[in-house]
Amino acid sequence: AQSVTQLDSQVPVFEEAPVELRCNYSSSVSVYLFWYVQYPNQGLQLLLKYLSGSTLVKGINGFEAEFNKSQTSFHLRKPSVHISDTAEYFCAVHTSGTYKYIFGTGTRLKVLA
Amino acid sequence: NAGVTQTPKFRVLKTGQSMTLLCAQDMNHEYMYWYRQDPGMGLRLIHYSVGEGTTAKGEVPDGYNVSRLKKQNFLLGLESAAPSQTSVYFCASRLRTGWNTEAFFGQGTRLTVV
Repeated sequence: AQSVTQLDSQVPVFEEAPVELRCNYSSSVSVYLFWYVQYPNQGLQLLLKYLSGSTLVKGINGFEAEFNKSQTSFHLRKPSVHISDTAEYFCAVHTSGTYKYIFGTGTRLKVLA
Repeated sequence: NAGVTQTPKFRVLKTGQSMTLLCAQDMNHEYMYWYRQDPGMGLRLIHYSVGEGTTAKGEVPDGYNVSRLKKQNFLLGLESAAPSQTSVYFCASRLRTGWNTEAFFGQGTRLTVV
């Protein structure tokens, strides 16, 4: 069965510092990978997605993620964070041949002034 | 373009009461989902639908029922609410075409069962 693991439940980081949010998945078949962001009291919105092709994917708000098939990882990075990036971030997997999205437990990013 | 709209946004129920959460999407999406979000547990799939008139169970379906009588609407029902159903509920939808389309989410319904 497929699963998604987000290794950090909370990540505090100072403004303008770089950040990496980690995501590992398990699946025996082809997967599509997504990162969603949830701002306080809002729904989830898509940051970026990996479907195929280049393993480095760029998304909105300066975020990017790298797909690593050998390590089954899809870590999210931003070189310089802003206060407005404070939110919860979810990694999700969509396995080929199913209708379902499997979400990780989320990582709460807190950007400090 | 409203996207995915959930009604209501907040609700407080007493144990044993029933209610229905409505999800409406105006993007002509075939697939619709209901998730619940609990602290430290991420989003867990309750039920989903791949088209009008069809529904299927997700990871945590017990205590919930759903219906998809119209393509644009997906209803989540709680027949006899329990405190364990206190949660934030999210509806999502996506296109059927291709396996790579992202899901679009509503703003959530915060439900408290006392």
